Amino acid sequence: KNEVEQSPQNLTAQEGEFITINCSYSVGISALHWLQQHPGGGIVSLFMLSSGKKKHGRLIATINIQEKHSSLHITASHPRDSAVYICAVSSSGNQFYFGTGTSLTVIP
Amino acid sequence: DAGITQSPRHKVTETGTPVTLRCHQTENHRYMYWYRQDPGHGLRLIHYSYGVKDTDKGEVSDGYSVSRSKTEDFLLTLESATSSQTSVYFCAISESSRGNTEAFFGQGTRLTVV
Repeated sequence: KNEVEQSPQNLTAQEGEFITINCSYSVGISALHWLQQHPGGGIVSLFMLSSGKKKHGRLIATINIQEKHSSLHITASHPRDSAVYICAVSSSGNQFYFGTGTSLTVIP
Repeated sequence: DAGITQSPRHKVTETGTPVTLRCHQTENHRYMYWYRQDPGHGLRLIHYSYGVKDTDKGEVSDGYSVSRSKTEDFLLTLESATSSQTSVYFCAISESSRGNTEAFFGQGTRLTVV
């Protein structure tokens, strides 16, 4: 049983497209995190949110606590956005649960 | 970027040999974690530390031990490496145990056991 489920697992988009990655979770949380991992690279935190919406450049993250669901949107996608995007949730005691990731490829 | 350095970045070792991975931080964060990342699985917690000499097991701790003798260093040791321990290992740090505390990750160590 996975506490965090992401969809889709793989996503290919043309440059410029609007992209949405979804995350559902089944545990009580204090915060939800969106992480980015480039091929062969480390993991970078994009967002941490516990309610509402956050925006950073072309990236937007939303969360619906009642529905236990979050989305990561990328507007005007670019090949450099190609990466694995990981959804994670955290609760008190710093317990983290991680999704298996969404592999995004943006084609020029 | 948070100051986290993992070493080595890549290692190939033989079955049965001991291996130690190092995580070094310059942020003075209290909490440090070791995760492994495998295809089809989310990151899985191996061990974590909540202070110098204070460590605890995660969900996949069998075959691993850790030590933290200084705030800045967290070592992960594979006592006798097995092929099932071939993986990418990530270190993470966080300032507190509050659930809304951000975690920062290292660049990862790719370990291959042959």
